[in-house]
Amino acid sequence: EAGVTQSPTHLIKTRGQQATLRCSPISGHTSVYWYQQALGLGLQFLLWYDEGEERNRGNFPPRFSGRQFPNYSSELNVNALELEDSALYLCASSSGSTGTSGTNEKLFFGSGTQLSVL
Amino acid sequence: KQEVTQIPAALSVPEGENLVLNCSFTDSAIYNLQWFRQDPGKGLTSLLLIQSSQREQTSGRLNASLDKSSGRSTLYIAASQPGDSATYLCAVEDYKLSFGAGTTVTVRA
Repeated sequence: EAGVTQSPTHLIKTRGQQATLRCSPISGHTSVYWYQQALGLGLQFLLWYDEGEERNRGNFPPRFSGRQFPNYSSELNVNALELEDSALYLCASSSGSTGTSGTNEKLFFGSGTQLSVL
Repeated sequence: KQEVTQIPAALSVPEGENLVLNCSFTDSAIYNLQWFRQDPGKGLTSLLLIQSSQREQTSGRLNASLDKSSGRSTLYIAASQPGDSATYLCAVEDYKLSFGAGTTVTVRA
């Protein structure tokens, strides 16, 4: 069974540009989570999508946005890139129930997209 | 706001020694606690999930305990091996998953 896949593996952008990161969850998983892991910092929660809807959002500015498609894959878009956006962006999926958190389902993570903003 | 703390930040032990990793959290109203392993530049691998009603979970050489009332969890790794070298993260789920900064473990051959 394929795990969570993320693309691209690496992405290099310059300040002010836009970045689009993609994630395909494990087959059958409806929930997708995005996390940012900046160097020296812990994982910071960005967004949670379930059944095509944004369920929760972390403490990030609006230029971080995303969506979930009918096949449950997801995109994370970062507009007006800043140097401090350089980080490893991790996507995770679970088979959580619609509209709830606390699903007691394990999260399965992809290998991440390393975004470098120059 | 949930805050998750992991102590120590780094740990180096000789092969064969048992590992004890600590995690504490500030808000005990959690659904579950998970332990993850992260290898350098890689994603996370879920090791154990302890539901809020449980006290511990075991998988092979790994055992994790949870004391929700005191906001603590401990991950024990028995008879450590060089392949156990990685960063171990704990995360608690309330309305979202909040991660600690991790403990980086080095097991010396």
